[in-house]
Amino acid sequence: DAKTTQPPSMDCAEGRAANLPCNHSTISGNEYVYWYRQIHSQGPQYIIHGLKNNETNEMASLIITEDRKSSTLILPHATLRDTAVYYCIASNYGQNFVFGPGTRLSVLP
Amino acid sequence: GAVVSQHPSWVICKSGTSVKIECRSLDFQATTMFWYRQFPKQSLMLMATSNEGSKATYEQGVEKDKFLINHASLTLSTLTVTSAHPEDSSFYICSAETRSGETQYFGPGTRLLVL
Repeated sequence: DAKTTQPPSMDCAEGRAANLPCNHSTISGNEYVYWYRQIHSQGPQYIIHGLKNNETNEMASLIITEDRKSSTLILPHATLRDTAVYYCIASNYGQNFVFGPGTRLSVLP
Repeated sequence: GAVVSQHPSWVICKSGTSVKIECRSLDFQATTMFWYRQFPKQSLMLMATSNEGSKATYEQGVEKDKFLINHASLTLSTLTVTSAHPEDSSFYICSAETRSGETQYFGPGTRLLVL
């Protein structure tokens, strides 16, 4: 799996968009970008994944740069319940995930 | 999204005893499940990969005779911590992979405390 780099922490005001960056400059052509989040004392929750096109679902949007070396997870209207550790993972289908330290997002009232 | 359950959600046991943790995919079949461990203030670390009907594959440094994994059906994998010691106290999390291999869904975790 390609290594990913994320900022250790970020703050976001409630109701504003939270933009979480991830660097995966060594990603290979068949590796997808996955985003999960972990709220304290719970298992990771799947958010979204993509290969090269931008993706959107009911939780978030994923913007992947054209060269695929970085991506941004966007939570369009952050709420206090979005406070969590967010993990960006680059992996092939069917492979185990390698978790880094992630980004601790704090949504502030 | 798909649902994965774990049982029990927390367990306290005495040193030297064995503890079994179940991981179930409730609404999909999973030929592959993964077992992770997470110590306080650390990230998830993969322990082993569990394939239905075959032996599990363990990560380097994980003792296969201590952490017994059984994946007897497409919806159930179990992790048994044998002869548990206080240093085995941790948060154990499983994930189940969709049949296409496209993604993994995680269970809520099991917190183990060995006294």
